[in-house]
Amino acid sequence: EVQLVESGGGLIQPGRSLRLSCAASGFTFGDYAMHWVRQAPGKGLEWVSGISWNSGSVGYADSVKGRFTISRDNGKNSLYLQMNSLRAEDMALYYCTKDIAYGGNSDGFDHWGQGTLVTVSS
Amino acid sequence: QSVLTQPPSASGTPGQRVTISCSGSSSNIGNNYVYWYQQLPGTAPKLLIYRNNQRPSGVPDRFSGSKSGTSASLAISGLRSEDEADYYCAAWDDSLSGWVFGGGTKLTVL
Repeated sequence: EVQLVESGGGLIQPGRSLRLSCAASGFTFGDYAMHWVRQAPGKGLEWVSGISWNSGSVGYADSVKGRFTISRDNGKNSLYLQMNSLRAEDMALYYCTKDIAYGGNSDGFDHWGQGTLVTVSS
Repeated sequence: QSVLTQPPSASGTPGQRVTISCSGSSSNIGNNYVYWYQQLPGTAPKLLIYRNNQRPSGVPDRFSGSKSGTSASLAISGLRSEDEADYYCAAWDDSLSGWVFGGGTKLTVL
């Protein structure tokens, strides 16, 4: 059974940094692209960032480009999101998601974690 | 403002057929697959439809997806109370080089 467990969320002041982690199990982690998708309280879904199976390709939403960095450690079956210069508008539930596609181009998200909440407030 | 446009709400009675639309442009829906996600209250989203009209195993055939040009739709037949949820469409956007979502449609079963 595929499991994605996020951690690292919490209350953080504007301008500070936070690192989210996602522990994956139940599939060959190194074979699939992974993504972070967020949902602000009471709002819709927003794709934040994605990384290919071998870290050779990464992408970011314009809203986080230059502030967030996605990375992965296939040996540890883990996905990360380093978030710097946090803003009030970054406050959201952050979901770790697995890509459908085995290697190759991104093909949607077939498994989601339960999310970790990031609250940005002074 | 979401890149993909969905109606904010939809409703139907048990047993009815409802459709939810999703409108985009040539850089997203017009040139790429459409995906649909269901988010039940208080839970993480779940993949409902992939590659326009494919259902993952375990998704009932009451759910179907279609695409035409720069628009797509999700149809739910034989509506049930447990279908009450938020539904989101998504697609890859070639101009943005990223995934884009619709704003979501809240489905109410009357």
